[in-house]
Amino acid sequence: SQTIHQWPATLVQPVGSPLSLECTVEGTSNPNLYWYRQAAGRGLQLLFYSVGIGQISSEVPQNLSASRPQDRQFILSSKKLLLSDSGFYLCAWSARQMTSGSVYNEQFFGPGTRLTVL
Amino acid sequence: RKEVEQDPGPFNVPEGATVAFNCTYSNSASQSFFWYRQDCRKEPKLLMSVYSSGNEDGRFTAQLNRASQYISLLIRDSKLSDSATYLCVVNRAGTYKYIFGTGTRLKVLA
Repeated sequence: SQTIHQWPATLVQPVGSPLSLECTVEGTSNPNLYWYRQAAGRGLQLLFYSVGIGQISSEVPQNLSASRPQDRQFILSSKKLLLSDSGFYLCAWSARQMTSGSVYNEQFFGPGTRLTVL
Repeated sequence: RKEVEQDPGPFNVPEGATVAFNCTYSNSASQSFFWYRQDCRKEPKLLMSVYSSGNEDGRFTAQLNRASQYISLLIRDSKLSDSATYLCVVNRAGTYKYIFGTGTRLKVLA
């Protein structure tokens, strides 16, 4: 069965410090990978997604970046955190999607990292 | 207008009640539809996919109305453990992106 791991679970960082969050998926190959952020009391905001090694699509221009150095590894980074970066960061995966036909590719989430920037 | 819209609630219902949520989507090219459940301070978890013909899983029934562009979730015989936020999710055909509604909060009261 597939599992998705994220670490750390919680993080408290000062403004201006760097960030690195890691996500790994087990039990599947060639997954689509996603980073979302959920601010307190708000919906999920898609930050980045990747359909393959080294391929990153950015949804929201900001001081965050993502990388996919291996097939099942997805990293979210920042050089200098802002107060507004606080939130619940979620990594997710889905099976590689076909572009036609009726395919239900559910998305599965990791346990998340709760980031507080002070 | 948001691409996926949900009534934020909260819906406060007594145990044993039947409750229904609707979710509307604006992009007719949307292909796949899902309901997720999110508990407080936890990750969203897949509740069920929504098939064109509708589908049922125990006390939960999901329906899709493509003509009116909405999906629904019906929960029968509500349990205290059903208290959570229910997220409507839409996947547009030919894309790798999933669009999330902001969620409907359900509180089941003893």
